[in-house]
Amino acid sequence: QQQVKQSPQSLIVQKGGISIINCAYENTAFDYFPWYQQFPGKGPALLIAIRPDVSEKKEGRFTISFNKSAKQFSLHIMDSQPGDSATYFCAASNSGGSNYKLTFGKGTLLTVNP
Amino acid sequence: GAGVSQSPSNKVTEKGKDVELRCDPISGHTALYWYRQSLGQGLEFLIYFQGNSAPDKSGLPSDRFSAERTGGSVSTLTIQRTQQEDSAVYLCASSRQGPGYTFGSGTRLTVV
Repeated sequence: QQQVKQSPQSLIVQKGGISIINCAYENTAFDYFPWYQQFPGKGPALLIAIRPDVSEKKEGRFTISFNKSAKQFSLHIMDSQPGDSATYFCAASNSGGSNYKLTFGKGTLLTVNP
Repeated sequence: GAGVSQSPSNKVTEKGKDVELRCDPISGHTALYWYRQSLGQGLEFLIYFQGNSAPDKSGLPSDRFSAERTGGSVSTLTIQRTQQEDSAVYLCASSRQGPGYTFGSGTRLTVV
């Protein structure tokens, strides 16, 4: 059972464009939703995260939009740059106690053309 | 250290052999996680350590997999009698508290 579904699998965007990646989750106990960025040969790096008490969080060019009723959240990358080309993973966690084990989506390979 | 260190970075082993993968978390980070990243399966949680508490082993795929964390710092993931389906990148992550992990660069395991 895939608890976090991510789409699209791959995305090609022109420099300066907006990249949008979507995720949907099933477990209503999830209360922490991070996005990770991964470059080839490296481990994932935390990009931005949101909790369900807010509908949007923005950090620089990166914005998470969160829809609790639809159980969906998305990452928007504004003014996309070639350096943003990487694989992006959404994830979710139920932060009961101190164990923040994450359930990941399967990833989106983003290519930003110059 | 400045980051999470994993060794070796690459490991090729023959089917049926045992392997040990090492993780050095960031100093002072009490929480340590192991994940597996494989093609088609994405990132899968394996095991979680927090201080002296009993680990959460719920993600270990079989009894061939085990992990320990000595002295609340270094962790070793052991895979016994490796199979070809064990081929993957094994990632370690640590955090001081809360959900903001720092991942290492992983160990790429290839079972031939």
